Amino acid sequence: QLQLQESGPGLVKPSETLSLTCTVSGGSISSSSYYWGWIRQSPGKGLEWIGTMYYSGYTYYNPSLKSRVTISVDTSKNQFSLKLSSVTAADTAVYYCVRRPRDGCFDYWGQGTLVTVSS
Amino acid sequence: DIVMTQSPDSLAVSLGERATINCKSSQSVLHSSNNKNYLAWYQQKPGQPPKVLIYWASTRESGVPDRFSGSGSGTDFTLTISSLQAEDVAIYYCHQYYSTLTWTFGQGTKVEIK
Repeated sequence: QLQLQESGPGLVKPSETLSLTCTVSGGSISSSSYYWGWIRQSPGKGLEWIGTMYYSGYTYYNPSLKSRVTISVDTSKNQFSLKLSSVTAADTAVYYCVRRPRDGCFDYWGQGTLVTVSS
Repeated sequence: DIVMTQSPDSLAVSLGERATINCKSSQSVLHSSNNKNYLAWYQQKPGQPPKVLIYWASTRESGVPDRFSGSGSGTDFTLTISSLQAEDVAIYYCHQYYSTLTWTFGQGTKVEIK
């Protein structure tokens, strides 16, 4: 059974960089059949797609966040990571890592991790 | 971006009665190459991640009870719960995956027991 698990600090100071890691178990992140990515959920903005990556390293990001987002992959650890720079209180949200089949919707989600931006 | 608008924002339905949620997209999510609607429905219960119920607008995910059904095409879609059960209390979201570089979700519809 595929499982995705987010990890990282739950509190980040304004203007700093949010860093999260998603560990995938029960399946290979190097599968050519799937994309992997991040979605966040905040009370004010609902569900917001952040970005998606392919195991080869190809990435694409939500244009509204593109200047601040980096998603990277470590196939040796079966993990991928999110970095969001220059955070503000508006970036406070539950962050989910997700899987998407090449031509499908997001079918597997991690449990989510709450990240609060506050000094 | 394709904007997804759900209605209503919330609804209260008696146990055993039908619940209907609508979703409208700002442009068609029907792909002409394969005649598929790139529209999914998710259920989210408190403290849990969203769970996919329906994809391709009307295909039920494995294990999803058959009281859940999806319909519609182009820009107008509906999720129907034919006989509401207590465990169906949740927030439901529609999601378009047509737009390759910007996937978007509806604002959510909260379903409660009357």
